[in-house]
Amino acid sequence: DIQMTQSPSSLSASVGDRVTITCRASQDINHFLAWFQQKPGKVPKALIYDASSLQSGVSSKFSGSGSGTDFTLTISSLQPEDFATYYCQQYNAYPFTFGPGTKVDF
Amino acid sequence: QVQLVQSGAEVKKPGSSVKVSCKASGGTFRNYAFNWVRQAPGQGLEWTAGIIPGLGSTYYAQNFQGRVTITADESTSTVYMVVSSLRFEDTAVYYCVRGPQGDGTTWGQGTLVTVFS
Repeated sequence: DIQMTQSPSSLSASVGDRVTITCRASQDINHFLAWFQQKPGKVPKALIYDASSLQSGVSSKFSGSGSGTDFTLTISSLQPEDFATYYCQQYNAYPFTFGPGTKVDF
Repeated sequence: QVQLVQSGAEVKKPGSSVKVSCKASGGTFRNYAFNWVRQAPGQGLEWTAGIIPGLGSTYYAQNFQGRVTITADESTSTVYMVVSSLRFEDTAVYYCVRGPQGDGTTWGQGTLVTVFS
């Protein structure tokens, strides 16, 4: 199975900050990586697919980059509604594994 | 715009089985990958099983091999998951997910399964 790691596991930030989250795969997954945002008690929200493609309807303050084994999610200017937990998921090969999540809070 | 509507919450006893459904509407069914993802209370997201209806291909996480069965009914655009031999630790919200694929990911609203004696 492909193992996914994320760093940091949590971070404290302020409104207006530029935030970067890193996701690493244990083997080459090409560009088959997605990012999700989840708030407590809510359904995860899709942000990015194919490593850098913005899901329809998602704000352009979110961007993704990377290929192979190393990927990043960047939030250009953090807003109050962006405080949440972020997950990456690889879909290059089954099982489609998730990273452990990165919690972004104040 | 595709929508996924899941069946309602379930309370089950240990050792029993639960069947959760996910009806897709507004998009192509047979050529997409549908997956079940579960989230135990306070925990992260855990991929459980997947199916590509048009190919009849099924995939399972090793943790659940033998206890989980995923099926699809193309006539009703519905995906099902059965979890058998339920344990207390199977208490979780189970999400039906279309993708990730081509045009991104769509999530169902989630189904809470509580295993309670």
